[in-house]
Amino acid sequence: EVQLVEFGGGLVQPGGSLRLSCVASGFIFNTYWMHWVRQAPGKGLVWVSRINSDGSSTTYADSVKGRFTISRDNAKNTLYLQMNSLKTEDTAVYYCARDPGPSGWYDYWGQGTLVTVSS
Amino acid sequence: EVLLTQSPGTLSLSPGERATLSCRASQSVGSSYLAWYQQKPGQAPRLLIYGVSSRATGVPDRFSGSGSGTDFTLTISRLEPEDFAVYCCQQYGDSPWTFGQGTKVELK
Repeated sequence: EVQLVEFGGGLVQPGGSLRLSCVASGFIFNTYWMHWVRQAPGKGLVWVSRINSDGSSTTYADSVKGRFTISRDNAKNTLYLQMNSLKTEDTAVYYCARDPGPSGWYDYWGQGTLVTVSS
Repeated sequence: EVLLTQSPGTLSLSPGERATLSCRASQSVGSSYLAWYQQKPGQAPRLLIYGVSSRATGVPDRFSGSGSGTDFTLTISRLEPEDFAVYCCQQYGDSPWTFGQGTKVELK
């Protein structure tokens, strides 16, 4: 059974940092591109970042470029999102999602982890 | 950036009725790269449709997708109690990949 489990969310002050993790199981992790997608409270889904299967290529939304870094450790079946210089508008539930293509649509999602940026 | 506009914002229907949800793109979505997801409160999105009309594994055949270019439709032929949820479209033809704001299908 495919499972994606996110960790690392919490309350952080503006300007602070947080690292999210997404542990994958039930599939061959190092053959899939992976994405982070976020959802602010009561709002729609917003794509954040994606990484290819071996970690050599990454892409970011303009809103997080230069502040967030996506990475992966295929030996640990884990996807990461390092978030620096956090802003109040980064408050959201962050989901990791598997891209089966790779093409940009998502067949499995984690349950999400809430990041709250507030003083 | 491709803007996706979904309509209506809310659809009030009864079980057994047909639901027709619209997703309009601000520019043509390349190569039919459009997906639909279902999301229930407190849950992660669930893939329903990819490639405009291909149903994901395990999705009942009462769900169907259609459209091309800038206009796309998700149809639920006969609503079941578990279908009351929010539905959103996503385009993945151009980066950044974007989502619609969602249509809520609620119990009338």
